[in-house]
Amino acid sequence: EIVLTQSPGTLSLSPGERATLSCRASQSVSSNYLAWYQQKPGQAPRLLIYGASSRATGIPDRFSGSGSGTDFTLTISRLEPEDFAVYYCQQYGSSPQITFGQGTRLEIK
Amino acid sequence: QVQLQQSGPGLVKPSQTLSLTCAISGDSVSSNSAAWNWIRQSPSRGLEWLGRTYYRSKWYNDYAISVKSRITINPDTSKNQFSLQLNSVTPEDTAVYYCARGITVALNWGQGTLVTVSS
Repeated sequence: EIVLTQSPGTLSLSPGERATLSCRASQSVSSNYLAWYQQKPGQAPRLLIYGASSRATGIPDRFSGSGSGTDFTLTISRLEPEDFAVYYCQQYGSSPQITFGQGTRLEIK
Repeated sequence: QVQLQQSGPGLVKPSQTLSLTCAISGDSVSSNSAAWNWIRQSPSRGLEWLGRTYYRSKWYNDYAISVKSRITINPDTSKNQFSLQLNSVTPEDTAVYYCARGITVALNWGQGTLVTVSS
């Protein structure tokens, strides 16, 4: 099983700042099959990024994904108030054995 | 627009079977280009993919190794829905359970059902 480790656990930033979230895999993720989700309290996760760098439908271009192999990054270029949430990475390179990271909480400073 | 509506009990006794249903609108459970998943979330285990069912000229199922001996996911084509059964539950199975549509990533999600395992 591929284990995903996200860092930091909590990130405190102000609106307008740039956020950089990390996801590290215990082994190489095949074909960069890495996705990112956003989850707000009381809601289901929402897909943001798939294939490491492709934005899902309707996702603003301030969200971008990068990386390959075992190291991946989600960047939010200029934080909006609605971006403060928990973010999860997910790998599907070893599909069907899909795994998620433990999450990074992005909070308002 | 695809919508998923979950139903089922929120309380299950230890050793019994957890059963949930996910009704689909805007797509077909028999679609050749979709898969239908169950995912759960708890503070101790985080997000955990449990399994999926999908149709590619015949029905297939894939299950997470961690629950493979206890889980069944079934499609119901007459009602355009799919179900989750998890046997021999313990308090460790207490979680919010989600159904989701997607082959490798979860594009659409149900509203979530908090299932508590307690006597």
